[in-house]
Amino acid sequence: KAGVTQTPRYLIKTRGQQVTLSCSPISGHRSVSWYQQTPGQGLQFLFEYFSETQRNKGNFPGRFSGRQFSNSRSEMNVSTLELGDSALYLCASSPISSQFFSGANVLTFGAGSRLTVL
Amino acid sequence: AQSVTQLDSQVPVFEEAPVELRCNYSSSVSVYLFWYVQYPNQGLQLLLKYLSGSTLVKGINGFEAEFNKSQTSFHLRKPSVHISDTAEYFCAVSASSGYSTLTFGKGTMLLVSP
Repeated sequence: KAGVTQTPRYLIKTRGQQVTLSCSPISGHRSVSWYQQTPGQGLQFLFEYFSETQRNKGNFPGRFSGRQFSNSRSEMNVSTLELGDSALYLCASSPISSQFFSGANVLTFGAGSRLTVL
Repeated sequence: AQSVTQLDSQVPVFEEAPVELRCNYSSSVSVYLFWYVQYPNQGLQLLLKYLSGSTLVKGINGFEAEFNKSQTSFHLRKPSVHISDTAEYFCAVSASSGYSTLTFGKGTMLLVSP
């Protein structure tokens, strides 16, 4: 069973540019969550999607957005990049139900996309 | 809302020694608790989880954790560590009912030396 696949694994951008990161969840998983990981702030929740709907969003500016497609694949976009956006962006999928989050449906993480903003 | 405090940012230990990584949480509702491990240049891998039942939870790679509701703690232990256990360990919490996302602690770097 293939795991969570994130592309690209590494990328370098300059300030002001935008970036799109892609995540393919485990087959059959309908929920996709995104986290930003930095040395200073640790793991911070960005958003969670289920059935193409964003169900929750973390405390990030509007420059951070995402979407989910009908096949459960997800993308996140960061516009007008800032130096502080340099981070490891992690995607995780879960066989979550439509009604509530059950801790029994644990998150399976991808290897991440490491973004460096110069 | 839930929060997690990992009391040590770094824990150095010698190979074959026991280790304990500490985690305390805060929540006004019942919770589920998790430990994840992250090896260099990789994503997070689930080590173990507490959902209900026995407060002593066994996970992969010989790790175990004990849920202590009165102390609001979920410390991770291993009786004898290996060099290959060198990694960053994250404690996480979610509410056990209703909609909830995972909230992570800031991580503890376990450094195992020969």
